[in-house]
Amino acid sequence: DAKTTQPNSMESNEEEPVHLPCNHSTISGTDYIHWYRQLPSQGPEYVIHGLTSNVNNRMASLAIAEDRKSSTLILHRATLRDAAVYYCILRGPIRGSTLGRLYFGRGTQLTVWP
Amino acid sequence: SQTIHQWPATLVQPVGSPLSLECTVEGTSNPNLYWYRQAAGRGLQLLFYSIGIGQISSEVPQNLSASRPQDRQFILSSKKLLLSDSGFYLCAWMGGWTGELFFGEGSRLTVL
Repeated sequence: DAKTTQPNSMESNEEEPVHLPCNHSTISGTDYIHWYRQLPSQGPEYVIHGLTSNVNNRMASLAIAEDRKSSTLILHRATLRDAAVYYCILRGPIRGSTLGRLYFGRGTQLTVWP
Repeated sequence: SQTIHQWPATLVQPVGSPLSLECTVEGTSNPNLYWYRQAAGRGLQLLFYSIGIGQISSEVPQNLSASRPQDRQFILSSKKLLLSDSGFYLCAWMGGWTGELFFGEGSRLTVL
């Protein structure tokens, strides 16, 4: 399983943008980049995913480096409810040998200050 | 719409006792199913995954086992619990083409 590296923690003020980095230098050509977040005492929640192009959805944006060795999750305006652990994960092909298994690291603990 | 349920939500068990955690998915058929464990202050550890009835793959050798007796039912078991089995157990199923994981509410196990 390909590894990702994330900072242990980050802080932000409410209503400011947040850029959460992730390094994945050993990513393969078929690996998708997934982001999840986990609130205390809850299961992780899907945030966004991408392969090569930048992606936007109602929750966040995902910026992927041209060489795909790093990516950044962007929360455009942080709220107190965005305080969570954010996981950057690489997912192999669903129907390939990896069966789409996701391996979670320790993620980044995001603290949002009012 | 699809839903996933786990029970029990909370469990306190003595060392050496058996364990059974259940997970049921509704609204989808033949999903890939996963069991994860999260120890206190740690990330999620993939324990088992299943691509179909009776088909179980183990990620980490341990005293836990999993079974899938029905298409949408996934069970995590142990014959004799250890202190190190304490943690937050999460069941998940994988959505079709996106590969998105949908997690249940989790089962918090404390082994004393």
